[in-house]
Amino acid sequence: GNSVTQMEGPVTLSEEAFLTINCTYTATGYPSLFWYVQYPGEGLQLLLKATKADDKGSNKGFEATYRKETTSFHLEKGSVQVSDSAVYFCALSAISSGSARQLTFGSGTQLTVLP
Amino acid sequence: DAGVIQSPRHEVTEMGQEVTLRCKPISGHDYLFWYRQTMMRGLELLIYFNNNVPIDDSGMPEDRFSAKMPNASFSTLKIQPSEPRDSAVYFCASRKGQNYGYTFGSGTRLTVV
Repeated sequence: GNSVTQMEGPVTLSEEAFLTINCTYTATGYPSLFWYVQYPGEGLQLLLKATKADDKGSNKGFEATYRKETTSFHLEKGSVQVSDSAVYFCALSAISSGSARQLTFGSGTQLTVLP
Repeated sequence: DAGVIQSPRHEVTEMGQEVTLRCKPISGHDYLFWYRQTMMRGLELLIYFNNNVPIDDSGMPEDRFSAKMPNASFSTLKIQPSEPRDSAVYFCASRKGQNYGYTFGSGTRLTVV
């Protein structure tokens, strides 16, 4: 089946530090990969995505590259801000039961950025 | 666009009571998903609909859970009877077609005491 494994949290960084959150996946076929962000008390928001190998998704200074050879989609940001504090979810979308693409989520990584 | 709208935002109920959570998807979206989020289990897909028809309900934990989508603009998730272990945040999400991203609602935080 499909699964996503992401770095355990929580992660605490100082403002302007470099961020990496690791994500690896297992899937049949050719999944699309996503990072979602959840701010306190809110639903999940799409942060970035990549639909094929070697694609790089980017948004708001965050980047992730779809690496088929290592089945990875690590999230990076060169300089984090306090406002980046949130829970980050890696996810994949692949054909599953019912013949429709569904999202499978990782367990989430809590990021706290200190001023 | 108002996004995916869920109600209520918070619900506190006593064990054994019936709970109904509501979701209004984005107009034009033909897929609707119900997820449950807990600290222990993360995000779990409970059920999803395509064009108002339930396609996969294998994630529904027990017969106490049921979901309906009577029309394209409304879905409900019902728990009867509720139990303390049902306490979680329940999210609804909608999507247009197979290759577009999901839009999530703000969730309903359910507490069963």
